[in-house]
Amino acid sequence: KAGVTQTPRYLIKTRGQQVTLSCSPISGHRSVSWYQQTPGQGLQFLFEYFSETQRNKGNFPGRFSGRQFSNSRSEMNVSTLELGDSALYLCASSLAGGQGYGYTFGSGTRLTVV
Amino acid sequence: QKEVEQNSGPLSVPEGAIASLNCTYSDRVSQSFFWYRQYSGKSPELIMSIYSNGDKEDGRFTAQLNKASQYVSLLIRDSQPSDSATYLCAGSSITGANSKLTFGKGITLSVRP
Repeated sequence: KAGVTQTPRYLIKTRGQQVTLSCSPISGHRSVSWYQQTPGQGLQFLFEYFSETQRNKGNFPGRFSGRQFSNSRSEMNVSTLELGDSALYLCASSLAGGQGYGYTFGSGTRLTVV
Repeated sequence: QKEVEQNSGPLSVPEGAIASLNCTYSDRVSQSFFWYRQYSGKSPELIMSIYSNGDKEDGRFTAQLNKASQYVSLLIRDSQPSDSATYLCAGSSITGANSKLTFGKGITLSVRP
């Protein structure tokens, strides 16, 4: 059974650019959540998608957005990149979301903004 | 109070000892609790889940949940150097029909050979 696939693994962008990250969940999983991980803040929740609908959103500025497609694959986009956006972005796949179910994480995308 | 807090750490134990990792949570978190292990440079991996008061054992790992005191803990028996990692506690935060997992900042465990 294939795991959660995130692409790309590494990205280097300059301030002001935008970036799109991709996540393919485990087959049959309909919930995809995105987290930002930094050494100082730990894992911070960005948003969750379920059946193409954003079901929950964290406290991040509007520059962070996402979407989910009918095949459950999800993308997140960060516009007007800032140095502080440098982080590991993790996608988590679940059958039906955080209530009662654990998440399976992808390997992450390491974003560096210079 | 933060939703999920892990205040102690880093933790260092000798090989073969019991490692005890603790986590507290606020009223905004309920229902389900999880422990994840994250090796350096890797993504978090689910190792234990617990939903009701009491203990749950899986091999060398025991998760404990005390809803009255709002804490959840993870015990690792016969600790091995391969257990050296950061351990993340997570709980379900439920708002209406929506839920998400909220994570603590993690405790770094080092097992000395």
